[in-house]
Amino acid sequence: GENVEQHPSTLSVQEGDSAVIKCTYSDSASNYFPWYKQELGKGPQLIIDIRSNVGEKKDQRIAVTLNKTAKHFSLHITETQPEDSAVYFCAADSEKLTFGTGTRLTIIP
Amino acid sequence: DAGVIQSPRHEVTEMGQEVTLRCKPISGHDYLFWYRQTMMRGLELLIYFNNNVPIDDSGMPEDRFSAKMPNASFSTLKIQPSEPRDSAVYFCASSWTGTTGELFFGEGSRLTVL
Repeated sequence: GENVEQHPSTLSVQEGDSAVIKCTYSDSASNYFPWYKQELGKGPQLIIDIRSNVGEKKDQRIAVTLNKTAKHFSLHITETQPEDSAVYFCAADSEKLTFGTGTRLTIIP
Repeated sequence: DAGVIQSPRHEVTEMGQEVTLRCKPISGHDYLFWYRQTMMRGLELLIYFNNNVPIDDSGMPEDRFSAKMPNASFSTLKIQPSEPRDSAVYFCASSWTGTTGELFFGEGSRLTVL
């Protein structure tokens, strides 16, 4: 089955700086890669996703890049704000959605 | 619009007791998923339904776990008998498009088995 590895497990950045979270996957058949944000006491919420037919997608301060050859994808958050503090999960879908282990992002004011 | 509704939000029970978690998906969503979240194992898919029919239950850890979806607006996840290692947050999610589109998660049911 699919295996998704996510790094780093924790990340602290100064407010206004950029944050990057990286994931690798194992199943070359995977073709859908969402990113979820989970705030304390709540369920995960989709923030951006990318499909295998594109290499990059951007939505305001958030962007995701995908390298299918290398089987890795990354989340980029620019101009970070305190409300970006949360746990972020990547995921990859082949026969079912497999989540990474999460990155706890802390924005330092 | 109401999102995915789960109950109870918190449950504390003793080992050996039966636990029933409930979920109301978003109206019109054909897919319903049950996930378990722990520090050690992260988010694990337990089972999912399409049009009320269980499609993949390979993530259900043991026969002590069972899930039903009697109609399009209600699902239950039952653990009988419960054990301390079942302590986790259980999430229900629903979607229009299975796992190749957005999953809408509920706020979760935090289960503690003493």
